Amino acid sequence: SYELTQPPSVSVSPGQTARITCSGDALPKQYAYWHQQKPGQAPVLVINKDSERPSGIPERFSGSSSGTTVTLTISGVQAEDEADYFCQSADSNANWVFGGGTKLTVL
Amino acid sequence: QVQLVQSGAEVKKPGSSVKVSCKASGVTLSAYTFSWVRQAPGQGLEWMGRIIPLLDITNYAQKFQGRVTITADKSTSTAYMELSSLRSEDTAVYYCAWVDGAYDYIFWGQGSLVTVSS
Repeated sequence: SYELTQPPSVSVSPGQTARITCSGDALPKQYAYWHQQKPGQAPVLVINKDSERPSGIPERFSGSSSGTTVTLTISGVQAEDEADYFCQSADSNANWVFGGGTKLTVL
Repeated sequence: QVQLVQSGAEVKKPGSSVKVSCKASGVTLSAYTFSWVRQAPGQGLEWMGRIIPLLDITNYAQKFQGRVTITADKSTSTAYMELSSLRSEDTAVYYCAWVDGAYDYIFWGQGSLVTVSS
């Protein structure tokens, strides 16, 4: 079955740039989405279709795509950005697939 | 802005079924889908299936085929997810996600905890 691979954890200091990657063979053909999930809360979409930022999401969140890897970049990380981040895409049947999630720790 | 409100927490016995609802408000278009995603304690997100209410089309993750049924009421913009033959491994928070058919924006419900225990 199709898999998306993320690093389990990323740590950065406040004000630095965090980059979280997600790799999958079908990513050149399927859009990727990024969801932020804070403890005890529902996920929130932070990046739509590889690089679109939904209304209400701070400008420090951006997304990019290159080949089989998509990247979520958080510039000028703030303490409130500490959360789990999940990439999501689709397989050849348009079924959703999630990466395993990356825990972002703000030191 | 679409808002989703899900039904409350449930405690079920092994072998029984559970039905979770998800009502969308602020919906101004007819082309949208509902997906259902679950999250076991301390685990990641797992997609279960979706429904396109306008076409009444469903598709399910292979893992849940035969055990999950997703339905929708277009008149109330409400989706339902029923999972049968429950076992302890089905203990999880179940989320609905509403997807805008035009721009693919995804909005999440608040989650419904389903606990399966004898």
